[in-house]
Amino acid sequence: GAVVSQHPSRVICKSGTSVKIECRSLDFQATTMFWYRQFPKQSLMLMATSNEGSKATYEQGVEKDKFLINHASLTLSTLTVTSAHPEDSSFYICSARDPRTGMADTQYFGPGTRLTVL
Amino acid sequence: DAKTTQPPSMDCAEGRAANLPCNHSTISGNEYVYWYRQIHSQGPQYIIHGLKNNETNEMASLIITEDRKSSTLILPHATLRDTAVYYCIVRPSDNYGQNFVFGPGTRLSVLP
Repeated sequence: GAVVSQHPSRVICKSGTSVKIECRSLDFQATTMFWYRQFPKQSLMLMATSNEGSKATYEQGVEKDKFLINHASLTLSTLTVTSAHPEDSSFYICSARDPRTGMADTQYFGPGTRLTVL
Repeated sequence: DAKTTQPPSMDCAEGRAANLPCNHSTISGNEYVYWYRQIHSQGPQYIIHGLKNNETNEMASLIITEDRKSSTLILPHATLRDTAVYYCIVRPSDNYGQNFVFGPGTRLSVLP
């Protein structure tokens, strides 16, 4: 299957700082990527949809000024957590739709980024 | 998207087949059935998908009932590394660019 990478895999930062997470599709071009957040013992929750060349679409309750998303190319989307606080500590996961799967619209997920805010 | 129902947990002996059921009684004609799994502290991994016919790949087999209201994911020879949460998701084939909605899934424990 297709490969999606994330960087970094783990980050620890101080409260008030900003953290950037990268999501890359390695062997395909993705016009649409998704960002999820997962808290311990819970399922993935969609945060936003990232579209190449346009503004991201945020889910209800997700602050767009706090979670900045940039999808500047067909293989890269970035999520920046601005002024991070301890409650932002979570597992952040991206996914990308593989257009080669046609009608099936299969999506592939990155390995995730563990963010810990002290 | 159609709702799916899965048992919260299952056990399977190592080396035996693991059969994970999923009910999707409200599935529409253009909705695919997808299976993903998530091993602890990793991102979800794509396993298999299908529309009407049974499907098989190097990881698993997907059996879809004739009325498409339920399906079963089969791991033919489960290993300890197959311990994970397995998610059954149904989505329209024309739902381009939309996200996957994850339910609680089935936590499969493969026992030695």
